[in-house]
Amino acid sequence: AQKITQTQPGMFVQEKEAVTLDCTYDTSDQSYGLFWYKQPSSGEMIFLIYQGSYDEQNATEGRYSLNFQKARKSANLVISASQLGDSAMYFCAMREGGRGADGLTFGKGTHLIIQP
Amino acid sequence: EAGVAQSPRYKIIEKRQSVAFWCNPISGHATLYWYQQILGQGPKLLIQFQNNGVVDDSQLPKDRFSAERLKGVDSTLKIQPAKLEDSAVYLCASSSDRGDTQYFGPGTRLTVL
Repeated sequence: AQKITQTQPGMFVQEKEAVTLDCTYDTSDQSYGLFWYKQPSSGEMIFLIYQGSYDEQNATEGRYSLNFQKARKSANLVISASQLGDSAMYFCAMREGGRGADGLTFGKGTHLIIQP
Repeated sequence: EAGVAQSPRYKIIEKRQSVAFWCNPISGHATLYWYQQILGQGPKLLIQFQNNGVVDDSQLPKDRFSAERLKGVDSTLKIQPAKLEDSAVYLCASSSDRGDTQYFGPGTRLTVL
């Protein structure tokens, strides 16, 4: 079974609109972390936002917020007031606790294109 | 603060040749990761180091891939011999300690012909 599922391979959004990128995850661990990364065409993975499984508040970082619904095992990324520079691949990732190792498991990504 | 450095940025080799990639993590970061990203997929962890010790190499194809971090700073990932399916971007990441946010380098794009 997929540990991280991103169901939107691609999205087109008008500039200045809000965007929601979907992510669902699967783990039996109680302690885990969820991350979103942005990968522009240049290839570098840019960290956007983090949510811990015990965090009661949804994480926010500037225009980025994470809609964390623990019972539904979803961690959607919301980008407010999208900009042309937001066009990129977006990856959801999970770090599971309790294994003694901290490597991230990534989804397949969503290709976001912002149109003027 | 300088980010994660990787070299080379691009490499083209013939199958059965060997290749090595270099990574210099963010200064002071104890944990270093190597990921493989095949076109159209998310990155997959190959190996994780804590200082100069291996924490997790369960997904490293050890018959052809090797990695080291001898002094707990720089790291080298080697493939010998390369196969066509090794064509991918190899990403290095570091974090200040285990469990902390990982910061990625620009990657090395490997093409095996």
